[in-house]
Formats: sequence, structure tokens, C-alpha cells
Amino acid sequence: AQKVTQAQTEISVVEKEDVTLDCVYETRDTTYYLFWYKQPPSGELVFLIRRNSFDEQNEISGRYSWNFQKSTSSFNFTITASQVVDSAVYFCALSEAEAMDSNYQLIWGAGTKLIIKP
Amino acid sequence: GAVVSQHPSRVICKSGTSVKIECRSLDFQATTMFWYRQFPKQSLMLMATSNEGSKATYEQGVEKDKFLINHASLTLSTLTVTSAHPEDSSFYICSARDRLAGISYNEQFFGPGTRLTVL
Repeated sequence: AQKVTQAQTEISVVEKEDVTLDCVYETRDTTYYLFWYKQPPSGELVFLIRRNSFDEQNEISGRYSWNFQKSTSSFNFTITASQVVDSAVYFCALSEAEAMDSNYQLIWGAGTKLIIKP
Repeated sequence: GAVVSQHPSRVICKSGTSVKIECRSLDFQATTMFWYRQFPKQSLMLMATSNEGSKATYEQGVEKDKFLINHASLTLSTLTVTSAHPEDSSFYICSARDRLAGISYNEQFFGPGTRLTVL
């Protein structure tokens, strides 16, 4: 069965610290997509990254980086030198491409609330 | 590109009234749109998937007579909460999948959400 686990319910760090948000997924498909979204207090989801299952290269975008490890079924997200504006709820999600009746639905993790204190 | 709008952004209504929420893809055609519900401090819960021109597919536990979904065109889907009650108060989010997106571009574009409060 497909599942996304974000074990960290809430993380609180002081500004400028690095922080890693964990995401572990389960799927039987060999082709799938992983996503990270940010949801600030306004509620609007902000797309951060999409990664397909065949691309295990880590990605860096400014202060954000992602570590995709198929061997451990993890897709962790690191924020370097965190800022107060990074405070939000972050969701990891999985979409399976092979399930014909899936309509490419997203399977969501529970989310991690990140609090960056000044 | 790939902008999805929702209207209204916020609505307050009396118990027993019906509320319609619109979801529009502004610069692309969406064969598939998704409706989510999000309670405070919880994750998104998929309510239904709608494909243009056909009936919506509802997730288990979602009352189709309560939450009417109409996907009448490639750019518009509506969710009507009928006879709303306080327990229907929630944040409703729609998303859309680009008609031209192949299997290699599996992404949903999200609307900004609608906050419904039923008094």
C-alpha cells in the first residue's frame, strides 16, 4: 500500500540553524513522483520540488536541498541557514504513475510544522 | 503559467444554506481536477476527483449528495456544499492537472483555497 510518513510533527529551531525535514514513503510502483510543498499561514500551497523515481540526484536550490535515497525510501528536505520566513507547514507527497486508476492522485504526509525563532 | 484560481477565498454562511466554490485553471486546460478538504493542523484529505464531462469520483466517506461537484468545462470545476452545517467548516482546496501533461509530467497545480465558516 502507498503511504507517506512525516514523523516530525513540529520542529522548532533558532534562525540561521540548519534543519532537516524527514519524509519516508512506501509504494510498490517502480515509477512514481515525490513532491514537497510549503503551506504558510495564509494556507496557499507553494510547490517546492518534484522528483521522479528514476532521478536520484540530489538537488539544491538556494538554501533548500533535497536528498532522495531509494534504498531507504526517503526524500528528506534540508533548509540551510533558516530564516523566520521559512516558518510554515511542509508536506511531502507521493504520486504513483503506474496505477491506471489512480488519476495521479497525491498521497500526502501528515506535514511537519516548522517554527523558526528569531 | 499554470495558475489555478478559487472563488471565493473566504465565505461565512448560515447553517442550512448552500455554498458554491469555483475552481478555474486560468492558463491551461484541466481534464482532471481534485478537491481537498483540510481541517486545522491536519493534512489535505482528498474528497473527490473530477474529470471533465463525467461524474466525479468520491473518496470513501465523502457524501456525494452533500458535496456536489460539477466539472462542466476544461477550465472550471465547482464544489457545492449543500445544506452546510458547522461541521462542514473547513479549508477547501482544489487542484488541476494539465490536459497536455503526459505521464512524465505528473503534477497538480493548486488553487489558493477557500475558507468556509458555517455559523
